Amino acid sequence: NAGVTQTPKFRVLKTGQSMTLLCAQDMNHEYMYWYRQDPGMGLRLIHYSVGEGTTAKGEVPDGYNVSRLKKQNFLLGLESAAPSQTSVYFCASSYALDRLTAYEQYFGPGTRLTVT
Amino acid sequence: AQKITQTQPGMFVQEKEAVTLDCTYDTSDQSYGLFWYKQPSSGEMIFLIYQGSYDEQNATEGRYSLNFQKARKSANLVISASQLGDSAMYFCAMRENNAGNMLTFGGGTRLMVKP
Repeated sequence: NAGVTQTPKFRVLKTGQSMTLLCAQDMNHEYMYWYRQDPGMGLRLIHYSVGEGTTAKGEVPDGYNVSRLKKQNFLLGLESAAPSQTSVYFCASSYALDRLTAYEQYFGPGTRLTVT
Repeated sequence: AQKITQTQPGMFVQEKEAVTLDCTYDTSDQSYGLFWYKQPSSGEMIFLIYQGSYDEQNATEGRYSLNFQKARKSANLVISASQLGDSAMYFCAMRENNAGNMLTFGGGTRLMVKP
């Protein structure tokens, strides 16, 4: 099992360019997430999905869009990149919440994005 | 107010000694969970340990244990017998009573193990 994979690993964009980050998981998880991590800080949730065809906003959704057309994939889009979006982006996935069980989130390796 | 607070930006510990990383949280939910993740310099996020709000015993996983004090709203991570490979960033995170199993992370503590 590959777990959670992210494509690409690194990217440099100019201000105003667009791009899509791809996250894929092979664990049959229902839930998927996109986080960003700025230098010296913890992770902040951008968007998440509780199932195929559903998405919801997290703590810092502005400037990003997401789609989950297939259960195993979760795409993060930047329509018009800004320098403030320079960050490391992590995708994560987990099983659906069960109050009796601690379903931890499994993280991908991250994508380092620089916007100049 | 911060939901998760880690007050130690950086800490040193001597190899083979124990170390405690602090985490306090703020929630009005009765049902919640607390997680600790490790992020080595390579960047990946590694799950270490979980404590549920209704768990009566402190969680333990190998050299990791969680000192859970519910009334004080603290969930400190204890690493026993520190190893050089424990040098990393450590993040405390909380899952509140939400539908999406979403986590809120603290700002992290950088642990450096001295030989």
